[in-house]
Amino acid sequence: DTAVSQTPKYLVTQMGNDKSIKCEQNLGHDTMYWYKQDSKKFLKIMFSYNNKELIINETVPNRFSPKSPDKAHLNLHINSLELGDSAVYFCASSHNRGQETQYFGPGTRLLVL
Amino acid sequence: DQQVKQNSPSLSVQEGRISILNCDYTNSMFDYFLWYKKYPAEGPTFLISISSIKDKNEDGRFTVFLNKSAKHLSLHIVPSQPGDSAVYFCAASDSNYQLIWGAGTKLIIKP
Repeated sequence: DTAVSQTPKYLVTQMGNDKSIKCEQNLGHDTMYWYKQDSKKFLKIMFSYNNKELIINETVPNRFSPKSPDKAHLNLHINSLELGDSAVYFCASSHNRGQETQYFGPGTRLLVL
Repeated sequence: DQQVKQNSPSLSVQEGRISILNCDYTNSMFDYFLWYKKYPAEGPTFLISISSIKDKNEDGRFTVFLNKSAKHLSLHIVPSQPGDSAVYFCAASDSNYQLIWGAGTKLIIKP
């Protein structure tokens, strides 16, 4: 039983393409997150949704658009992919907003050629 | 501007000995700190946390110490086991409950 799942696990694509990464959690959590792990291995928050509402929207190019169709899903759509978008993207969830433990998915390794 | 720093990219420890992983932070408004462990090709998993009202929290072989005046926390693992080999991330929670992460320390436990 996977608590937080992401698809695909690997994504290789050409510059300029549009791609989506899907995330689902079966923990009944209210809050979900997208993180980017950059080349220096830092995990940086991109977005956070609480009960389908956007609560954190860090300085991220507007080519990145999150979509939360329901509490259990938070998808990430990326338009016009650039070389610098190559990274590992992690989805996470927590019971609610606050000082809660975050549970992470396995990551999606995106490589833009 | 790194608000959470893990200055040792890697650490090698003999099995059975104590592993000490360090983390420094700059923002005095951080009030909650966490350690996560990450294996290759997996997401980080929560290990242990500490609130700023405490200076120590213990969970089995894992103990986290917080020195607020020095803005420093450390994770002690004793005794170290081969399965502890992983990357350990320190994270701090700000007033918006966002987690600010360090770059991680790769711990290698030698048999």
